[in-house]
Amino acid sequence: DQQVKQNSPSLSVQEGRISILNCDYTNSMFDYFLWYKKYPAEGPTFLISISSIKDKNEDGRFTVFLNKSAKHLSLHIVPSQPGDSAVYFCAARQGGSEKLVFGKGTKLTVNP
Amino acid sequence: NAGVTQTPKFQVLKTGQSMTLQCAQDMNHEYMSWYRQDPGMGLRLIHYSVGAGITDQGEVPNGYNVSRSTTEDFPLRLLSAAPSQTSVYFCASSYERPGLAEFYEQYFGPGTRLTVT
Repeated sequence: DQQVKQNSPSLSVQEGRISILNCDYTNSMFDYFLWYKKYPAEGPTFLISISSIKDKNEDGRFTVFLNKSAKHLSLHIVPSQPGDSAVYFCAARQGGSEKLVFGKGTKLTVNP
Repeated sequence: NAGVTQTPKFQVLKTGQSMTLQCAQDMNHEYMSWYRQDPGMGLRLIHYSVGAGITDQGEVPNGYNVSRSTTEDFPLRLLSAAPSQTSVYFCASSYERPGLAEFYEQYFGPGTRLTVT
């Protein structure tokens, strides 16, 4: 039973345009969400997070939106740069749990 | 700070062999965890530890053992390797415990690519 779903395995965008990566979840007890970026042959690196009490969090070119009623979050990257090409993982925490649940990832390619 | 370090980077094992994947962090983090990443499967939690002497199971613990005798080290032991354990293994650590933190961020090591033949 996959609790965190990233239904798009890949996404391709042009440099300078917006990249939108989506994530859906099924567990209504999740109260904190994170996005990680992963380059080949490296470990994931933390990108941005959002608490369930908020609906938006922004950090530079990266914005995460949370729609609790739809159990959906999205990561917006504006403007996209070739260096953003990586696999992006969505992760979620159930309140009080010491475990994070990850999605399968979306491979973003930003074309020059 | 070296951050989270993992050794070895690559390893090939025969079925039935045992080995230990090493993980160390120098950030005085209390929380450490092990994940495996398989193609199309994302990251799955194997075991985690909220402090020295305390470990617990994650999502896919079978076939693996862990111990946490010091804050810095969190080795992962494969008792009798199987081809199904072919994967990339990531160790991670964080200052806060994910269950308690208002803001949470986890640092990952570079990974160990394991092949079991």
